[in-house]
Amino acid sequence: EIVMTQSPATLSVPPGERATLSCRASQSVSTNLAWYQHKPGQAPRLLIHGASTRATGVPDRFSGSGSGTEFTLTISSLQSEDFAVYYCHQYNNWPALTFGGGTKVEIK
Amino acid sequence: QVQLVQSGPEVKKPGASVRVSCKASGYTFTSDGFSWVRLAPGQGPEWMGWISAYNGNTNYVQKFQGRVTMTTDTPTSTAYMELRSLRSDDTAVYYCTRGARPIDYWGQGTLVTVSS
Repeated sequence: EIVMTQSPATLSVPPGERATLSCRASQSVSTNLAWYQHKPGQAPRLLIHGASTRATGVPDRFSGSGSGTEFTLTISSLQSEDFAVYYCHQYNNWPALTFGGGTKVEIK
Repeated sequence: QVQLVQSGPEVKKPGASVRVSCKASGYTFTSDGFSWVRLAPGQGPEWMGWISAYNGNTNYVQKFQGRVTMTTDTPTSTAYMELRSLRSDDTAVYYCTRGARPIDYWGQGTLVTVSS
């Protein structure tokens, strides 16, 4: 099983500032990596797939980068609606797909 | 637009079974499959397996082999997930999702509570 490790667990950021979230895979997942945003009481939302491709309708302040085992999600200027939990997800190792434990982005 | 609408919350006793439904709309039902993912308190999401809505082929995570069954019903555009021999650590929100590589849409989730 590929273990996905996200850091930090919690990120406190003032509105308007940049947030950088990390995700590390225990072995290479190529670029088969997605990021999801999850707000309480809502369905998670796909933000990024293929490590760096924004999903339809996702604002360009969200960007993803990385390949192999190291990945980053960057939110260039945090808006109030961006405070949520973010999960990374590898879909390279079929049929044993795995998720990270999440990073909670909270208002500082 | 793609929508996945799940059935309501369930409370079950240990050893019982639960079946969660997921009605899909806004796309051709058989064009993709469904992954089922659960989210337990304090943990990251856990992928349970996948079913093709085209031909019913399934892939289950080994951890759930023998306890889970995923099915689809094309005439009603509905996917189902049954989990048997429930234990307290099966308490979680269960999500149906479209696709697997990657998952692109999620249902609203169904809370399953296992308690004596």
